[in-house]
Amino acid sequence: DAGVTQSPTHLIKTRGQQVTLRCSPKSGHDTVSWYQQALGQGPQFIFQYYEEEERQRGNFPDRFSGHQFPNYSSELNVNALLLGDSALYLCASSRSTNQPQHFGDGTRLSIL
Amino acid sequence: GDSVTQMEGPVTLSEEAFLTINCTYTATGYPSLFWYVQYPGEGLQLLLKATKADDKGSNKGFEATYRKETTSFHLEKGSVQVSDSAVYFCALGIQGAQKLVFGQGTRLTINP
Repeated sequence: DAGVTQSPTHLIKTRGQQVTLRCSPKSGHDTVSWYQQALGQGPQFIFQYYEEEERQRGNFPDRFSGHQFPNYSSELNVNALLLGDSALYLCASSRSTNQPQHFGDGTRLSIL
Repeated sequence: GDSVTQMEGPVTLSEEAFLTINCTYTATGYPSLFWYVQYPGEGLQLLLKATKADDKGSNKGFEATYRKETTSFHLEKGSVQVSDSAVYFCALGIQGAQKLVFGQGTRLTINP
């Protein structure tokens, strides 16, 4: 039973570029949440998708956007990258919006 | 707003020592409480959870009790092992588990 899978594992971009990160939820899960984890910090909630709609959003600018597909997989897009966007981006899935979240290993994004 | 405060690390113990990692929270309503563990280079793994006051979550020898009167959810283990070395995050779930708010994490190192 595959867990939450994220791609790519690592990514290097330059300021001003755009990036897309991908997530496949655990089998049987329909809800996907995205978190940003800066070095040495706890994860910060970006947003959550359920039934292909954004259900909740954290305190992140509109440069951060997402999408959920009919197969429940999800993408996180970040436009106009800033140096401060360098972080580990974690995807988490759950069986519904009210169940414990299971995390992937993350995508390490570095901005030069 | 909702927040989680963990004891500052790093924490270094000898094998078989008793472990306590303190966690207190501030929240409106009745959140669910979680402990997650993060091993080097990996995402977060759910360690244990409690959904209401006086619930005790337990897993792999770790325990934590949801104390509403002291707004705490301290993590304990009677005898730690080298393999317990990791970063531990306390988190609260808004509206159950829809949005997780994390503490800053506590790095634990167990020496043989």
